[in-house]
Amino acid sequence: KNEVEQSPQNLTAQEGEFITINCSYSVGISALHWLQQHPGGGIVSLFMLSSGKKKHGRLIATINIQEKHSSLHITASHPRDSAVYICAAYSGSARQLTFGSGTQLTVLP
Amino acid sequence: EAQVTQNPRYLITVTGKKLTVTCSQNMNHEYMSWYRQDPGLGLRQIYYSMNVEVTDKGDVPEGYKVSRKEKRNFPLILESPSPNQTSLYFCASTLYRGAGELFFGEGSRLTVL
Repeated sequence: KNEVEQSPQNLTAQEGEFITINCSYSVGISALHWLQQHPGGGIVSLFMLSSGKKKHGRLIATINIQEKHSSLHITASHPRDSAVYICAAYSGSARQLTFGSGTQLTVLP
Repeated sequence: EAQVTQNPRYLITVTGKKLTVTCSQNMNHEYMSWYRQDPGLGLRQIYYSMNVEVTDKGDVPEGYKVSRKEKRNFPLILESPSPNQTSLYFCASTLYRGAGELFFGEGSRLTVL
């Protein structure tokens, strides 16, 4: 069974700061997802990665397959980035998604 | 607009009264799945479906049933709800199993008294 760990659990930053959220998983995977959940509950997909790096606006996601590790970076953070960020690892062999416990990010103005 | 629609969004029911949470997607996705989200436990997979008439258990299937008679619909059935099924439920779909972009419904908050 894949174990997915995220860190930190909680993160408070000042507006403009560079933010990094980490995700580690225990078994080989086909894809790694980064999700965003705002207060009120809706979940939005930010990235799906199988290798390398992706960028969308101020968000950057990287994955190191050998080290079984992924990071989500937010540059020039803004209060509207305040949300829970969740990573999820998909194992093709198990055909299941396993989720990290989430990182609560608060960006203060 | 591409979307996953869940109903109801909010429901309060009593122990033992059968209920169904519907999930429908308009993207012709093959893979659909149900999750529950509980404080401190994160999102956990209940059931998933690779295609019509193909369903399988996730990590926490006890007390739930699903069916996939049509590609667009994947209802979650609680035959005899119990208070430990009080939770926030999400339906999701993706084109390429778990390796494609995930689309989530808005969530259904269920309270079982």
